[in-house]
Parts: sequence; C-alpha cells; structure tokens
Amino acid sequence: AQSVAQPEDQVNVAEGNPLTVKCTYSVSGNPYLFWYVQYPNRGLQFLLKYITGDNLVKGSYGFEAEFNKSQTSFHLKKPSALVSDSALYFCAVRRENTGFQKLVFGTGTRLLVSP
Amino acid sequence: NAGVTQTPKFQVLKTGQSMTLQCAQDMNHNSMYWYRQDPGMGLRLIYYSASEGTTDKGEVPNGYNVSRLNKREFSLRLESAAPSQTSVYFCASIPGQRDAMATGELFFGEGSRLTVL
Repeated sequence: AQSVAQPEDQVNVAEGNPLTVKCTYSVSGNPYLFWYVQYPNRGLQFLLKYITGDNLVKGSYGFEAEFNKSQTSFHLKKPSALVSDSALYFCAVRRENTGFQKLVFGTGTRLLVSP
Repeated sequence: NAGVTQTPKFQVLKTGQSMTLQCAQDMNHNSMYWYRQDPGMGLRLIYYSASEGTTDKGEVPNGYNVSRLNKREFSLRLESAAPSQTSVYFCASIPGQRDAMATGELFFGEGSRLTVL
C-alpha cells in the first residue's frame, strides 16, 4: 500500500524568502507524485507532477519540486515566496500504471507567507 | 468553462435525514470521483466512476451511495446522515484512466460543506 507523509502542519516564511514544503512517500514500485494547492473555500488545483525523467520538476506559479528516490522525498520549493502563496498544500502519490482511484493524499501543510 | 460544479455549497442536516450532493462536469471527462476532506486526514476517496455506467467503492464508502446519471453527472447520496459524516465533500474528474497516466491532473469542484447535527 502507498502512503504519504507531510511532517509539517504549518510552514511560516517571510515574503521574498525561499520556501520548502516537505513530502515523503512510501510505495512499492515506481511512484507517480503530485502536488496540489487549495486556496480558502476552493477546490484543489494541480501544481505539478513527477512521472519520469528529470528529478527537478517545474510547475505552476513558479513552484518546483525535487524527486529524490534514495530519500523517498518530493519536496515542494519556490525561490521567492509571495503572500498570495499562502494556502494549503497537498502531496499525493500513486504507483505507476495504476489508476487515480489508487491516489493517496497527504494530510496537507498550511503555508503562511507574511509580508 | 464552468469545469466541475457542485451543489449545494453548504448544507446542515439533522441526524437521520437524507440528502444528495450533485456534481456535474462540462469537460467531457470519463472518470469522476467523490472525496471527503477532514482536518488532519487529507482527502479520502468515497466512491468513483471510471466511466459512464460503472461505479466502485473507494476507501471510505460506508454510509454513502452514488449514481453516475450520465457522462456529465455523478451524485453522492447520504441515506441516513450521521454526525461522523460532517465534512467537506469534493467531486473531481479526469479525462479517462488512460489519459490520466499522462496528464496526472485531477480537476476539482469547489466543495460542499456538510454539517450533521
């Protein structure tokens, strides 16, 4: 069975500073990894994914994530945070060649960017 | 483009009452999903429909039923609501299982907040 851990309930960062939101996963076989963002009172929006290829994946709104197979991690990063990045971020994983019914979400990390 | 539309956005029920959450997508997607979101639990899959005419249980199906009315619509029914079903419910869709292998993007509605007293 696959699982995802987001060890931080909340991450605080000042605007203009780099941010990292952590995610580690457990899956038998190769993973498909995803990040979604949820703004207040909205549904989740897709940010980026890792399927195969380059370990550094670039996504929407200047976010990127680095896949590290040896550490089973897929941390979300951004070089310079904006106040508008404040939201709830979810990491998700499923095993390769399985359907979305097998997608497992983490518990979410709230990002607060202060002016 | 409306995307995925859920109704109602808010609902308060008494224990034992029934209700149906409606979901419709206008993207011609084949597969649709119902999730519930609870604090500290992330999103958990209740039921899904891989294609029109099929439905299957997810991780937490007890107390719920679903109907894939047509390709556009996928409803979630609570026959006898319980306080444990207080949650935010999200409907999502993808073009199809095969397409999902490539795109990896679930499209979500804005959620339905349900409170059961």
